[in-house]
Amino acid sequence: DQQVKQNSPSLSVQEGRISILNCDYTNSMFDYFLWYKKYPAEGPTFLISISSIKDKNEDGRFTVFLNKSAKHLSLHIVPSQPGDSAVYFCAASDALGFGNEKLTFGTGTRLTIIP
Amino acid sequence: DAGITQSPRYKITETGRQVTLMCHQTWSHSYMFWYRQDLGHGLRLIYYSAAADITDKGEVPDGYVVSRSKTENFPLTLESATRSQTSVYFCASIRNVAGELFFGEGSRLTVL
Repeated sequence: DQQVKQNSPSLSVQEGRISILNCDYTNSMFDYFLWYKKYPAEGPTFLISISSIKDKNEDGRFTVFLNKSAKHLSLHIVPSQPGDSAVYFCAASDALGFGNEKLTFGTGTRLTIIP
Repeated sequence: DAGITQSPRYKITETGRQVTLMCHQTWSHSYMFWYRQDLGHGLRLIYYSAAADITDKGEVPDGYVVSRSKTENFPLTLESATRSQTSVYFCASIRNVAGELFFGEGSRLTVL
């Protein structure tokens, strides 16, 4: 049972426009969410995170929105740049910092930025 | 440089053979993890370790064995490789308690 779902396997966006990547989760115990970015032949790298006590977190061009009632989060990239072309994974956890450091990852969305 | 190194980066083996993937980190992070990445499944947790000599199963542990005698090393062994274990394997450690994993570059394993 996939507890974290990314229903769009791929997304293409024009350079300079907004990229919106979506993620849904089913486990209501999840209280911390993260986005990771992965280039080919490299390991994933941390991008941005959000706690369930917030509904928005911003870091430069990247903003993550959390809708707890809908069990949905999204990553907005504005403006999109060619270097943003990568696979993006959302991840979730419950009770981080309380001995449960495991993350559950989604299936990933391949973002392609068109110059 | 500090970080996580995985070896080998690429490995081809045959069904039934034993394979060990190595993972070494230089930060002395307590938590370490092994994930596998497969198309359509994303990253799935195989095993993790909270400290030396403490390991626990993740989502897909069958067919794998881990050990952690030293904080910096976390090898993953496939005791009798199967074709379904063809995958890219990532080792990771946790940078802080906020879930920010730092991943190695991955080990691509092909089982023929």
